[in-house]
Amino acid sequence: EAQVTQNPRYLITVTGKKLTVTCSQNMNHEYMSWYRQDPGLGLRQIYYSMNVEVTDKGDVPEGYKVSRKEKRNFPLILESPSPNQTSLYFCASSLAGGPNEQFFGPGTRLTVL
Amino acid sequence: GESVGLHLPTLSVQEGDNSIINCAYSNSASDYFIWYKQESGKGPQFIIDIRSNMDKRQGQRVTVLLNKTVKHLSLQIAATQPGDSAVYFCAENDWKSDYKLSFGAGTTVTVRA
Repeated sequence: EAQVTQNPRYLITVTGKKLTVTCSQNMNHEYMSWYRQDPGLGLRQIYYSMNVEVTDKGDVPEGYKVSRKEKRNFPLILESPSPNQTSLYFCASSLAGGPNEQFFGPGTRLTVL
Repeated sequence: GESVGLHLPTLSVQEGDNSIINCAYSNSASDYFIWYKQESGKGPQFIIDIRSNMDKRQGQRVTVLLNKTVKHLSLQIAATQPGDSAVYFCAENDWKSDYKLSFGAGTTVTVRA
């Protein structure tokens, strides 16, 4: 089944404790991206990747890191999480080298205490 | 700064009627627009997209209209069904500049039986 998977789905952590949210797609997609969703703010793009070893900042990249060592994986890293990073996170991918017709993962709900 | 926004945060529609969801954008350089549907507890799902060289595009029961003069985008859903109840997001991209995608805050559509 073609899909985007994220792990974990739910995470409660404390301020400053490094964490990684994994994202994997099995569709051989070029473009991958991370978004956060907060009430009243819609989805805001954190980082995106056009292809392996190519990553670029979205609108809200501060406090996040990403890597794209393999085409299928695009992990989101929070080196020192803070409470303002409490949010619902979505990973997405699309076949072409751009943000068109993205397939979204199920989301990761992160709480930072 | 540039932003993408929706005219109304909520829309209530009678089952079987047509729905119209509006979106205003402010970046005149945007040349790609996309609509997503998000059901409760799920990730966004692609509905339809349109490029700036078009003013109308039709899909299955959906039509997107683009008016570049007034920077307005709309999504029309024909014969609205209970399964259409969701949050709808418009998003924009300027392919000439980058591959970021900017989302509006969303409109919640509720279908009345």
